[in-house]
Amino acid sequence: EAGVTQFPSHSVIEKGQTVTLRCDPISGHDNLYWYRRVMGKEIKFLLHFVKESKQDESGMPNNRFLAERTGGTYSTLKVQPAELEDSGVYFCASSQTLGLGQGRQETQYFGPGTRLLVL
Amino acid sequence: AQSVTQLDSHVSVSEGTPVLLRCNYSSSYSPSLFWYVQHPNKGLQLLLKYTSAATLVKGINGFEAEFKKSETSFHLTKPSAHMSDAAEYFCVVSGFYNFNKFYFGSGTKLNVKP
Repeated sequence: EAGVTQFPSHSVIEKGQTVTLRCDPISGHDNLYWYRRVMGKEIKFLLHFVKESKQDESGMPNNRFLAERTGGTYSTLKVQPAELEDSGVYFCASSQTLGLGQGRQETQYFGPGTRLLVL
Repeated sequence: AQSVTQLDSHVSVSEGTPVLLRCNYSSSYSPSLFWYVQHPNKGLQLLLKYTSAATLVKGINGFEAEFKKSETSFHLTKPSAHMSDAAEYFCVVSGFYNFNKFYFGSGTKLNVKP
């Protein structure tokens, strides 16, 4: 079974440019998450999709970030315009939706991340 | 609010000696807790998870962790380190209002010396 894949693996852009990151979740996973780790900090939650709907976007830093998941399959995260502080590693994860009575056991499977450097 | 503190940013052990990576959590409820590992240029891989069943949780590659509510701890251990264990380890707690929202510790880099 293929894992979560992310593209590109690395991206170097200049301040003010636009970058789009892509995530392909594990097939059949309704839940898709974006996380970010900036240099020297912990990994932080950005947002959570259930199928094509945004369930929780409380971690999105500002309106320069736009996440989409059209059709409920892959997702994109666009940063426009990019700023220096946006540099970091962007992780995507996916999980199944468990049935009732199975408790809070949703394991999230992570991709390798996209390393973004804004100069 | 949920939070996780990993007490050591770096741990160095010799191959064949025990590993202890410390994690304390803060939560007003009984949380789900996870340990993930990240090897260089790889994604985060689940080592083990605690979800209110047995307090001693066994994971992959010989790792285990014990949930201690009285100490709010979830330390990761392994009896004998292997060179391939060198990686960064993350302790994670799930959210309360949104248990899909993970809160990460700052990570512990494990170095294994020959």
